[in-house]
Amino acid sequence: AQSVTQPDIHITVSEGASLELRCNYSYGATPYLFWYVQSPGQGLQLLLKYFSGDTLVQGIKGFEAEFKRSQSSFNLRKPSVHWSDAAEYFCAVGARSNYQLIWGAGTKLIIKP
Amino acid sequence: SAVISQKPSRDICQRGTSLTIQCQVDSQVTMMFWYRQQPGQSLTLIATANQGSEATYESGFVIDKFPISRPNLTFSTLTVSNMSPEDSSIYLCSSIDLGGRAPNEQFFGPGTRLTVL
Repeated sequence: AQSVTQPDIHITVSEGASLELRCNYSYGATPYLFWYVQSPGQGLQLLLKYFSGDTLVQGIKGFEAEFKRSQSSFNLRKPSVHWSDAAEYFCAVGARSNYQLIWGAGTKLIIKP
Repeated sequence: SAVISQKPSRDICQRGTSLTIQCQVDSQVTMMFWYRQQPGQSLTLIATANQGSEATYESGFVIDKFPISRPNLTFSTLTVSNMSPEDSSIYLCSSIDLGGRAPNEQFFGPGTRLTVL
């Protein structure tokens, strides 16, 4: 069955520290891969996406993600977090043949001052 | 990318009543979607709003409870009918950007936060 796993429900990081949010997927073929962020009381904003090519993709707000086919992973990273990064982060995958997205459960990022 | 607005941004409703949520996109888009996000949960797709035809509902969602309209390529409404406290959620509208390289690169509205008493 197709699924997306974000194993960490909450992550707490000190401001200025590095961040890695994990995302693993189970899919029949290489899907399109996305990371979205939802700030408190807001809708979802696309951070970055992977379609093909370079497996390290750069996104907005200083985020990057690396697609590792052998591990079926698409982990999100940021070298130094800011208090404004406190939000919920969702990983999503989609088939190359249709429009639907499969969503992870989300990881809530808490920033310690 | 398309810019999406939703109205209302939030509402508090009494059980048994209905609420219609509006979604407006600033450009023509092929596909529009409605999601529900229950408190502390991820997104669940309710339906795909099809222009000129009935919406396509996901398992567990029915037209009588969540009627959807899509009169043109930039606008859609979702009605939450005969509400109960279990309908308290954030309702999100999204669309597929025709300029995106992936068919499922979705852009989201700010959401409607619904509380049912």
